[in-house]
Parts: sequence; C-alpha cells; structure tokens
Amino acid sequence: DAGVIQSPRHEVTEMGQEVTLRCKPISGHNSLFWYRQTMMRGLELLIYFNNNVPIDDSGMPEDRFSAKMPNASFSTLKIQPSEPRDSAVYFCASRLRGQSNEQFFGPGTRLTVL
Amino acid sequence: GENVEQHPSTLSVQEGDSAVIKCTYSDSASNYFPWYKQELGKGPQLIIDIRSNVGEKKDQRIAVTLNKTAKHFSLHITETQPEDSAVYFCAASKASGGSNYKLTFGKGTLLTVNP
Repeated sequence: DAGVIQSPRHEVTEMGQEVTLRCKPISGHNSLFWYRQTMMRGLELLIYFNNNVPIDDSGMPEDRFSAKMPNASFSTLKIQPSEPRDSAVYFCASRLRGQSNEQFFGPGTRLTVL
Repeated sequence: GENVEQHPSTLSVQEGDSAVIKCTYSDSASNYFPWYKQELGKGPQLIIDIRSNVGEKKDQRIAVTLNKTAKHFSLHITETQPEDSAVYFCAASKASGGSNYKLTFGKGTLLTVNP
C-alpha cells in the first residue's frame, strides 16, 4: 500500500496567490482529515470528511480556506488568497471508519507564503 | 471544546534510561487517547492507544496509563534507544469506533535519546 499521498511536498508562493494542496487517501478508507502544523499552535484539525461529505469544518481559520472531496480517492485544500501567516505544514490523514480509530498521516506539504 | 496539555515540551535522556511524557485533558466525556510519533520530515504515526475502559496498556517497551478521575494519561518508554528520538503527541477524542470523532492533540514533546 502506498499510504496517504500528498502533493506537492513543498510549495513556495507569494502573498495573494492561490494555493491548492492535494491528497489521495489510502484506498478503501472512508474518513479524511486535513490538519495544519505550526510551532506556535501545534497540530490543528481544519476539516474532516466521512464518505466524501464534510462533517466538521469548525477548524477552518477563515473564508480564504476551502476544502473539497469530489470522490473517495481525492481531496483538495485551497487557500485563496494566501497570506504569510498561512505558512505551515499541512497534513492529510485517512481512516477506515468502523474498523479502527487509527488515522494514517501523509508526509505533509510544507507551505511557505512570502 | 476539548483542551489537551502536554509536558514536557522537550526531554533529553541517556540511551537505556526511561522516558515519561504526561498529558491532561479537560473534557470528561473523552474516551479515546492515542499517542503518535513524528519523525523529522514525516507525518505522525500511531504507536499506542488506550480507551477509557482500561487503566493501562503495554506494547513491548511502550506503555500508556490513564487516570480518568484526574483526567490525565502518560506515555512510558523503557530502555530508550536513539531511534526513539522524535516528537511525540498525545491526543484525546470523545468518541471512537464507527461514530464521528475528531482528535485534539497536545503541543508535542521533542524526545532526544543520547547514545
């Protein structure tokens, strides 16, 4: 199994630009989570989906952030427009609901907004 | 909402010694407590978890204890090895199994095992 796949691994962009982060969960998993990790705030849950449906987006910082899951094998997290304070490592994780509590994390995308 | 406090933020031990990391949580309804290990440049990985119906769980050199009354839980690593060096996160959630749930993580502990 390839595990959770995220792309790109690194992204450097300028303030005001649109950023799209991508995630492919483990095949067969039915829950998907987006996290943000910073030194100051640690690991924060942004949004999670069950069966492609957003369940809780209370962690999304503001309207500049949006997430979609058009099918069971793909999700995106978009920031538009990006700001320097969005610089962080963004992780995607997936889980097989009903079988295990374990969340499997991807390698993350390191985002730098200049 | 749930709040998880983790201590210490950094911990340095000699190879072979034990390491203990402690966490407290605020929501008495929380009933699932996993521990994740994050190596440099990688995503967190589950190493052990415990549910509120047990007080202790052990897996080789790793053990976790839970005190529901005091709302705290701890990770114990015995006979530490250099490859144990990583950031460790505790987490808590209200529900487990098939129902909807989300994890609230502690701020992490950077463990360094010196050879």
